[in-house]
Amino acid sequence: QSALTQPRSVSGSPGQSVTISCSGTSSDVGGYNYVSWYQHHPGKAPKLMIYDVTKRPSGVPDRFSGSKSGNTASLTISGLQAEDEADYYCCSYADSSTMFGGGTKLTVL
Amino acid sequence: QVQLVQSGSELKKPGASVKVSCKASGYTLTTYAINWVRQAPGQGLEWMGWINTNTGNPTYAQDFTGRFVFSLDTSVRTTYLEISSLKTEDTAVYYCARAGAGFLQSDYWGQGTLVSVSS
Repeated sequence: QSALTQPRSVSGSPGQSVTISCSGTSSDVGGYNYVSWYQHHPGKAPKLMIYDVTKRPSGVPDRFSGSKSGNTASLTISGLQAEDEADYYCCSYADSSTMFGGGTKLTVL
Repeated sequence: QVQLVQSGSELKKPGASVKVSCKASGYTLTTYAINWVRQAPGQGLEWMGWINTNTGNPTYAQDFTGRFVFSLDTSVRTTYLEISSLKTEDTAVYYCARAGAGFLQSDYWGQGTLVSVSS
């Protein structure tokens, strides 16, 4: 299995919106509504931000939203804040296994 | 509150073995599967596989068959990752994570365990 494809980096200014894409295939992203997104600050444990493509766990701000179209999932962060600067990973279920994207470094300018 | 607490950092020589533990609290261990995830230096997250905490049955990702073993001891609410015949390229931070969001989606993570392999 190959990793899902994410842009290596994205950036935005405080208050702006950014979208991170996650491209897969019909065997993973396109075949299941079980895409999750994780925020990872270096040296800390990853944090679940979105699951089941669009659902937010309790405590995650509604500035974070997820969507999917075909074989591509997306994470949108609106109203960027300095603390959003981190690495973001998508993850998709695929037939009794799961796989991560390569990760995207978000820089808040 | 839900917590996964992992064992501390390890420094090992090539060819040795290491066993990382992941102790669950705040919920019943057997309710959710446990994922194991690796992050090598400068690299992204990599799913290693999962263990069914009801049956103890492990499932390994393609790149983690042979030298990697998941196990659990429900009496102490702990799952384990054992790596044998360590190689320098096994140097990484290893995370356990509760698959509590369904379909192997991880809602709670351990703090990570750094395993360093060097001669």
